[in-house]
Amino acid sequence: QKEVEQNSGPLSVPEGAIASLNCTYSDRGSQSFFWYRQYSGKSPELIMFIYSNGDKEDGRFTAQLNKASQYVSLLIRDSQPSDSATYLCAVKTGNQFYFGTGTSLTVIP
Amino acid sequence: EADIYQTPRYLVIGTGKKITLECSQTMGHDKMYWYQQDPGMELHLIHYSYGVNSTEKGDLSSESTVSRIRTEHFPLTLESARPSHTSQYLCASSRDRGNSPLHFGNGTRLTVT
Repeated sequence: QKEVEQNSGPLSVPEGAIASLNCTYSDRGSQSFFWYRQYSGKSPELIMFIYSNGDKEDGRFTAQLNKASQYVSLLIRDSQPSDSATYLCAVKTGNQFYFGTGTSLTVIP
Repeated sequence: EADIYQTPRYLVIGTGKKITLECSQTMGHDKMYWYQQDPGMELHLIHYSYGVNSTEKGDLSSESTVSRIRTEHFPLTLESARPSHTSQYLCASSRDRGNSPLHFGNGTRLTVT
């Protein structure tokens, strides 16, 4: 079983819609959870991090964490074509970071 | 915000050559990492360091070596490049605090012919 699992997609949403990206992790001892955005050919860029159960909002982005279910999600409201990218879920356990394979998102104008 | 720099951005080199990929960060982060990523694929940890004179191999050491003589500098060396080493190499750093994220450099795209 992989440490971090993501649906690889592709996920397509129309412009202005809500995009929902999901991630599960296997180690209950994981402390911190991160979402990165990666454009094709570029390096990952940090969007949000969360380490407490519940929701955390930053602009159009909301991260949700449910430690009991070992589940992390990212909601993107009012999706824009510029949001089209691969979204990586990362989980920190001890001193190590574990990445999912990423979900490819396309926002259709 | 971490500033982390990788050079070169692109490198094309012949088989058998020795190469060093440079990575420097200006934020005093203790922890540094090297990842390898093929297009559309997941990141694989190659090496990491928790501080000066500390280096460890990751899941995919890919016949490379690293050194950490100074906090800000974490170079990756391939002693003898092979076509299988063709990939994107990403350097990252993090503060030594439990919830601190990884900050990535711009990457080095390596092609071995």
